[in-house]
Amino acid sequence: TQLLEQSPQFLSIQEGENLTVYCNSSSVFSSLQWYRQEPGEGPVLLVTVVTGGEVKKLKRLTFQFGDARKDSSLHITAAQTGDTGLYLCAGGRGKIIFGKGTRLHILP
Amino acid sequence: GAGVSQSPSNKVTEKGKDVELRCDPISGHTALYWYRQSLGQGLEFLIYFQGNSAPDKSGLPSDRFSAERTGGSVSTLTIQRTQQEDSAVYLCASSPRGGGLTITEAFFGQGTRLTVV
Repeated sequence: TQLLEQSPQFLSIQEGENLTVYCNSSSVFSSLQWYRQEPGEGPVLLVTVVTGGEVKKLKRLTFQFGDARKDSSLHITAAQTGDTGLYLCAGGRGKIIFGKGTRLHILP
Repeated sequence: GAGVSQSPSNKVTEKGKDVELRCDPISGHTALYWYRQSLGQGLEFLIYFQGNSAPDKSGLPSDRFSAERTGGSVSTLTIQRTQQEDSAVYLCASSPRGGGLTITEAFFGQGTRLTVV
């Protein structure tokens, strides 16, 4: 059974700080996705990483896929209050499974 | 509509009653997924459809849960004899295709909040 573990579970930091959250598995994934979910809404896709070692940037967000394609990280530079939300990693073949997420709260 | 539509948005039901949750996916999307999200938690996979077939229904918690999809479009998730532990947000997502090596983007509806009293 493929499982995705995310850490930390919760993170609360001041606006302007940098942070990194992680997504790990004992299984190899052909691709991984990161989604962000805001209260009362469904998750929205941020990025898909496909190649081992791949790095993708989306403004202040940097996503990395591990060389062995078992893990991924999301780094946010100079966090803003608008970054607050639940960050979920996802992967799978056929069905898409999700990790339990990192709940990020950026303090003004 | 342009996005995934779920109905009802909220449902309060008495313990022991049956409920039906509906999902209208994006037109042309062949893959459809159902998830359950308890308060403050991540997404628990329930079932996945490719067309009208369900290659993976391993996440359905018990035989009280069932789902079907007709015409490669609308899907209904049915919960029989509801229990209080069934209270959660039920999310539906659709994707242009499924089953490949690279997962495609899943587009989510806003969910149905089910409360069993």
